Amino acid sequence: GESVGLHLPTLSVQEGDNSIINCAYSNSASDYFIWYKQESGKGPQFIIDIRSNMDKRQGQRVTVLLNKTVKHLSLQIAATQPGDSAVYFCAVKFGNEKLTFGTGTRLTIIP
Amino acid sequence: GAGVSQTPSNKVTEKGKYVELRCDPISGHTALYWYRQSLGQGPEFLIYFQGTGAADDSGLPNDRFFAVRPEGSVSTLKIQRTERGDSAVYLCASSLKSGPYEQYFGPGTRLTVT
Repeated sequence: GESVGLHLPTLSVQEGDNSIINCAYSNSASDYFIWYKQESGKGPQFIIDIRSNMDKRQGQRVTVLLNKTVKHLSLQIAATQPGDSAVYFCAVKFGNEKLTFGTGTRLTIIP
Repeated sequence: GAGVSQTPSNKVTEKGKYVELRCDPISGHTALYWYRQSLGQGPEFLIYFQGTGAADDSGLPNDRFFAVRPEGSVSTLKIQRTERGDSAVYLCASSLKSGPYEQYFGPGTRLTVT
């Protein structure tokens, strides 16, 4: 099986600063990782993904880093904006199995 | 194009009643997933379909829960003899196929059992 944990349940960041959200997973055979953003009353929204054959992937203002040695995943958001305020979940998949989600980090952007 | 849709958006039912929750996946997506999300928690897997068949139903909590996808598109999650502990947001997701592919989520159905 798989278990996923997030390091901080809440994170407050000044608008314009960078934020880093961390996640740890347990199954070294996990091969696919996704970060989701969830706003109140909505379903999770895909942000970025990474496969296990990579250690870094960049999107628009976001970067995901994967350290398979220590089974750690992080999401970096550059130049945070008020619209970035939400709960962020990492999700991990092994093969064709279901996604296992962490408990989420609530990111608050301070104006 | 249209995303994943779920109906109803909210459902209030009395303890002991039967409910059905519907999911319309993105057209062409063969894999469909149901998750349940309790307040303050991440989504928890219930069941996943590849085409019409349930490929993994290991997340269903007990035999009161059942899901179908008869034509490989729309899916219905059915809950019999509802209990107050069933109250949660039920999320549906679809992906192009199973494996390491992005899952797109619907807005969820908030189920409240009184």
